[in-house]
Amino acid sequence: DVKVTQSSRYLVKRTGEKVFLECVQDMDHENMFWYRQDPGLGLRLIYFSYDVKMKEKGDIPEGYSVSREKKERFSLILESASTNQTSMYLCASSWILGTTGNTIYFGEGSWLTVV
Amino acid sequence: TQLLEQSPQFLSIQEGENLTVYCNSSSVFSSLQWYRQEPGEGPVLLVTVVTGGEVKKLKRLTFQFGDARKDSSLHITAAQPGDTGLYLCAGAQGQKLVFGQGTRLTINP
Repeated sequence: DVKVTQSSRYLVKRTGEKVFLECVQDMDHENMFWYRQDPGLGLRLIYFSYDVKMKEKGDIPEGYSVSREKKERFSLILESASTNQTSMYLCASSWILGTTGNTIYFGEGSWLTVV
Repeated sequence: TQLLEQSPQFLSIQEGENLTVYCNSSSVFSSLQWYRQEPGEGPVLLVTVVTGGEVKKLKRLTFQFGDARKDSSLHITAAQPGDTGLYLCAGAQGQKLVFGQGTRLTINP
Protein backbone atom coordinates (compact mmCIF):
# COMPACT_ATOMS: atom_id res chain seq x y z
CA ASP A 1 0.00 0.00 0.00
CA VAL A 2 1.09 3.55 -0.71
CA LYS A 3 2.02 5.42 2.41
CA VAL A 4 2.27 9.17 2.81
CA THR A 5 3.49 10.01 6.29
CA GLN A 6 3.23 13.41 7.90
CA SER A 7 5.58 13.79 10.82
CA SER A 8 3.29 15.64 13.20
CA ARG A 9 -0.46 15.18 13.66
CA TYR A 10 -0.99 18.04 16.11
CA LEU A 11 1.16 21.12 16.69
CA VAL A 12 0.70 24.28 18.71
CA LYS A 13 3.07 27.12 17.86
CA ARG A 14 3.41 30.73 18.88
CA THR A 15 3.04 33.68 16.52
CA GLY A 16 6.37 34.42 14.86
CA GLU A 17 7.82 30.94 15.30
CA LYS A 18 9.35 29.08 12.37
CA VAL A 19 7.41 25.89 11.69
CA PHE A 20 8.45 22.83 9.72
CA LEU A 21 5.94 20.27 8.48
CA GLU A 22 7.56 17.15 7.09
CA CYS A 23 6.12 14.65 4.64
CA VAL A 24 7.56 11.38 3.34
CA GLN A 25 6.17 9.07 0.65
CA ASP A 26 7.30 5.52 -0.07
CA MET A 27 6.14 5.04 -3.69
CA ASP A 28 8.85 6.87 -5.63
CA HIS A 29 6.23 9.37 -6.81
CA GLU A 30 7.41 12.30 -8.90
CA ASN A 31 4.74 14.72 -7.66
CA MET A 32 4.29 15.93 -4.12
CA PHE A 33 1.82 18.52 -2.88
CA TRP A 34 0.97 20.60 0.16
CA TYR A 35 -2.65 21.66 0.67
CA ARG A 36 -4.40 23.40 3.52
CA GLN A 37 -7.99 22.61 4.37
CA ASP A 38 -10.37 25.07 5.99
CA PRO A 39 -14.13 24.74 6.56
CA GLY A 40 -16.15 25.94 3.59
CA LEU A 41 -13.07 26.44 1.43
CA GLY A 42 -12.14 22.86 0.59
CA LEU A 43 -8.51 22.04 -0.14
CA ARG A 44 -6.34 24.84 -1.42
CA LEU A 45 -2.97 24.14 -3.00
CA ILE A 46 -0.02 25.89 -1.35
CA TYR A 47 2.92 24.46 -3.31
CA PHE A 48 3.70 21.42 -5.36
CA SER A 49 6.84 19.78 -6.64
CA TYR A 50 7.24 17.60 -9.72
CA ASP A 51 10.87 16.66 -9.16
CA VAL A 52 13.71 17.00 -6.68
CA LYS A 53 14.62 20.65 -6.09
CA MET A 54 11.73 21.71 -8.37
CA LYS A 55 8.73 23.57 -6.96
CA GLU A 56 5.81 25.57 -8.21
CA LYS A 57 3.50 27.93 -6.38
CA GLY A 58 -0.05 26.87 -5.91
CA ASP A 59 -3.02 29.11 -5.25
CA ILE A 60 -2.02 30.41 -1.79
CA PRO A 61 1.80 30.38 -1.44
CA GLU A 62 2.10 33.61 0.57
CA GLY A 63 3.70 33.03 3.97
CA TYR A 64 4.98 29.57 3.03
CA SER A 65 8.04 28.02 1.44
CA VAL A 66 8.93 24.43 0.59
CA SER A 67 11.95 22.21 0.25
CA ARG A 68 12.45 19.02 -1.73
CA GLU A 69 16.02 17.84 -1.38
CA LYS A 70 15.16 14.16 -1.80
CA LYS A 71 12.47 12.58 -3.98
CA GLU A 72 10.64 11.00 -1.07
CA ARG A 73 10.54 14.06 1.21
CA PHE A 74 8.67 17.34 0.83
CA SER A 75 8.79 19.91 3.62
CA LEU A 76 6.49 22.87 4.19
CA ILE A 77 7.99 25.82 6.06
CA LEU A 78 6.19 28.67 7.75
CA GLU A 79 8.94 31.27 8.17
CA SER A 80 7.01 33.29 10.76
CA ALA A 81 3.77 31.66 11.81
CA SER A 82 0.67 33.79 12.09
CA THR A 83 -2.75 33.04 13.56
CA ASN A 84 -4.37 32.99 10.10
CA GLN A 85 -2.20 29.98 9.30
CA THR A 86 -4.07 27.90 11.87
CA SER A 87 -5.41 25.08 9.73
CA MET A 88 -5.24 21.44 8.74
CA TYR A 89 -2.32 20.79 6.38
CA LEU A 90 -2.42 17.85 4.00
CA CYS A 91 0.52 16.41 2.13
CA ALA A 92 -0.05 14.28 -0.97
CA SER A 93 1.91 12.49 -3.65
CA SER A 94 1.26 11.00 -7.08
CA TRP A 95 2.83 9.70 -10.25
CA ILE A 96 2.87 12.14 -13.15
CA LEU A 97 -0.83 12.92 -13.73
CA GLY A 98 -1.93 11.82 -17.19
CA THR A 99 -5.14 11.47 -19.07
CA THR A 100 -5.78 8.25 -17.17
CA GLY A 101 -6.21 10.33 -14.03
CA ASN A 102 -3.61 8.93 -11.72
CA THR A 103 -4.50 8.77 -8.06
CA ILE A 104 -3.27 11.33 -5.57
CA TYR A 105 -2.53 9.79 -2.18
CA PHE A 106 -2.94 11.87 0.94
CA GLY A 107 -1.36 11.75 4.36
CA GLU A 108 -3.50 11.88 7.47
CA GLY A 109 -3.04 15.61 7.94
CA SER A 110 -1.31 17.90 10.42
CA TRP A 111 -3.43 20.12 12.60
CA LEU A 112 -1.55 23.35 13.28
CA THR A 113 -2.72 25.90 15.82
CA VAL A 114 -0.90 29.22 15.99
CA VAL A 115 -1.52 31.16 19.20
CA THR B 1 -13.62 32.48 -6.68
CA GLN B 2 -13.86 28.71 -6.53
CA LEU B 3 -12.87 27.01 -9.74
CA LEU B 4 -15.01 23.98 -8.89
CA GLU B 5 -18.40 24.64 -7.29
CA GLN B 6 -19.87 21.81 -5.28
CA SER B 7 -23.50 21.71 -4.22
CA PRO B 8 -25.00 21.33 -1.80
CA GLN B 9 -22.36 22.12 0.81
CA PHE B 10 -24.37 20.39 3.53
CA LEU B 11 -26.90 17.59 3.18
CA SER B 12 -28.68 15.70 5.93
CA ILE B 13 -31.13 12.96 4.93
CA GLN B 14 -32.72 9.82 6.33
CA GLU B 15 -31.38 6.34 5.79
CA GLY B 16 -32.80 4.78 2.64
CA GLU B 17 -33.21 8.02 0.69
CA ASN B 18 -31.42 8.84 -2.55
CA LEU B 19 -29.22 11.88 -3.08
CA THR B 20 -27.15 13.64 -5.71
CA VAL B 21 -24.12 15.89 -5.24
CA TYR B 22 -23.04 18.18 -8.06
CA CYS B 23 -19.65 19.50 -9.07
CA ASN B 24 -19.66 22.28 -11.67
CA SER B 25 -17.07 24.42 -13.40
CA SER B 26 -16.61 26.65 -16.43
CA SER B 27 -13.22 24.99 -17.00
CA VAL B 28 -12.44 21.77 -18.81
CA PHE B 29 -10.58 19.07 -16.91
CA SER B 30 -8.55 16.18 -18.26
CA SER B 31 -10.04 14.01 -15.51
CA LEU B 32 -12.21 14.41 -12.47
CA GLN B 33 -11.93 12.57 -9.20
CA TRP B 34 -14.20 12.06 -6.22
CA TYR B 35 -12.78 11.65 -2.74
CA ARG B 36 -14.30 10.84 0.61
CA GLN B 37 -12.82 12.12 3.83
CA GLU B 38 -13.48 10.90 7.36
CA PRO B 39 -12.87 13.17 10.38
CA GLY B 40 -9.19 13.34 11.31
CA GLU B 41 -8.03 11.61 8.15
CA GLY B 42 -6.88 12.56 4.67
CA PRO B 43 -9.16 12.21 1.64
CA VAL B 44 -9.36 8.78 0.02
CA LEU B 45 -10.02 8.34 -3.69
CA LEU B 46 -13.39 6.84 -4.65
CA VAL B 47 -13.28 7.07 -8.44
CA THR B 48 -11.66 8.79 -11.41
CA VAL B 49 -13.62 9.66 -14.54
CA VAL B 50 -11.75 10.55 -17.70
CA THR B 51 -14.01 10.45 -20.74
CA GLY B 52 -16.82 12.92 -21.37
CA GLY B 53 -20.15 11.23 -20.67
CA GLU B 54 -18.51 8.45 -18.68
CA VAL B 55 -20.54 6.74 -15.97
CA LYS B 56 -18.94 4.63 -13.25
CA LYS B 57 -20.67 2.64 -10.53
CA LEU B 58 -19.27 1.69 -7.17
CA LYS B 59 -21.93 -0.40 -5.40
CA ARG B 60 -24.66 2.15 -4.51
CA LEU B 61 -22.62 5.11 -5.79
CA THR B 62 -22.92 6.29 -9.40
CA PHE B 63 -20.48 8.86 -10.80
CA GLN B 64 -21.00 10.72 -14.05
CA PHE B 65 -18.65 13.02 -16.00
CA GLY B 66 -20.32 15.64 -18.14
CA ASP B 67 -20.06 15.43 -21.91
CA ALA B 68 -17.95 18.59 -22.03
CA ARG B 69 -15.75 17.42 -19.13
CA LYS B 70 -16.65 20.49 -17.07
CA ASP B 71 -18.97 18.96 -14.50
CA SER B 72 -19.71 15.77 -12.61
CA SER B 73 -22.26 14.27 -10.29
CA LEU B 74 -22.31 11.68 -7.54
CA HIS B 75 -25.56 9.84 -6.92
CA ILE B 76 -26.07 7.61 -3.90
CA THR B 77 -28.95 5.15 -3.87
CA ALA B 78 -30.52 4.01 -0.59
CA ALA B 79 -28.10 5.97 1.58
CA GLN B 80 -26.80 4.33 4.74
CA PRO B 81 -25.30 5.84 7.91
CA GLY B 82 -21.90 4.50 6.79
CA ASP B 83 -22.05 6.92 3.83
CA THR B 84 -21.71 9.85 6.24
CA GLY B 85 -18.63 11.93 5.48
CA LEU B 86 -17.14 14.79 3.50
CA TYR B 87 -17.24 14.25 -0.27
CA LEU B 88 -14.81 16.21 -2.42
CA CYS B 89 -14.59 16.53 -6.17
CA ALA B 90 -11.28 17.42 -7.78
CA GLY B 91 -10.40 18.29 -11.35
CA ALA B 92 -7.02 17.70 -12.94
CA GLN B 93 -5.38 20.62 -14.70
CA GLY B 94 -1.91 19.70 -15.80
CA GLN B 95 -0.11 18.30 -12.78
CA LYS B 96 -2.42 19.96 -10.26
CA LEU B 97 -5.68 18.88 -8.72
CA VAL B 98 -8.20 21.64 -8.04
CA PHE B 99 -10.76 20.84 -5.35
CA GLY B 100 -14.33 21.89 -4.75
CA GLN B 101 -15.44 23.12 -1.31
CA GLY B 102 -16.80 19.72 -0.37
CA THR B 103 -20.23 18.35 0.56
CA ARG B 104 -20.72 17.30 4.14
CA LEU B 105 -23.20 14.44 4.06
CA THR B 106 -25.02 13.12 7.12
CA ILE B 107 -27.21 10.05 6.90
CA ASN B 108 -29.54 9.72 9.88
CA PRO B 109 -30.64 6.24 11.02
